Amino acid sequence: DQQVKQNSPSLSVQEGRISILNCDYTNSMFDYFLWYKKYPAEGPTFLISISSIKDKNEDGRFTVFLNKSAKHLSLHIVPSQPGDSAVYFCAASKSNAGKSTFGDGTTLTVKP
Amino acid sequence: DAGITQSPRHKVTETGTPVTLRCHQTENHRYMYWYRQDPGHGLRLIHYSYGVKDTDKGEVSDGYSVSRSKTEDFLLTLESATSSQTSVYFCASTSGRELLTDTQYFGPGTRLTVL
Repeated sequence: DQQVKQNSPSLSVQEGRISILNCDYTNSMFDYFLWYKKYPAEGPTFLISISSIKDKNEDGRFTVFLNKSAKHLSLHIVPSQPGDSAVYFCAASKSNAGKSTFGDGTTLTVKP
Repeated sequence: DAGITQSPRHKVTETGTPVTLRCHQTENHRYMYWYRQDPGHGLRLIHYSYGVKDTDKGEVSDGYSVSRSKTEDFLLTLESATSSQTSVYFCASTSGRELLTDTQYFGPGTRLTVL
């Protein structure tokens, strides 16, 4: 039973446009959510996170939205740049669990 | 970035042989993790450690064991490698000071092929 799902394996957008990556979760005990970015042949790196007490967190071109009632979060990248082309993983954590559950990832391609 | 390295970076081995992957971090992080990444499966937790000699199983722990005798080192052992364990393995660490908000720092990965 997959608790964190990224239903779109891939997404292609034009440079300068908005990229929206989606993530759904099933476990209502999750109270912290993170997005990681991964380039080929490298390990994932942290991008942005959000606590369940918030519904939005913004960091430059990246904004994460959380809809707790729908158990859904999304990552918005505006404007998208070719360097944003990577695999994006959504992750969810429970308080004091000491570990995160990851989704399968979405491969974003930003075309020049 | 946390200083976290993995060795070897690439390994080809045969079915039935033992394999040990090493993860080394220089940040004095309390928590360390081993994941595998396979196409269509994202990152799946194998084992994790919350301190020296303290380890616990993740969601795909069968066929794997771990050891942590020092804060900086976390070893993953495949006692008898199988072809289904062909994967890319990532190690990660986090300080553990704030369990909820601590992000994980990942190593560069080890590509393991079991023939």
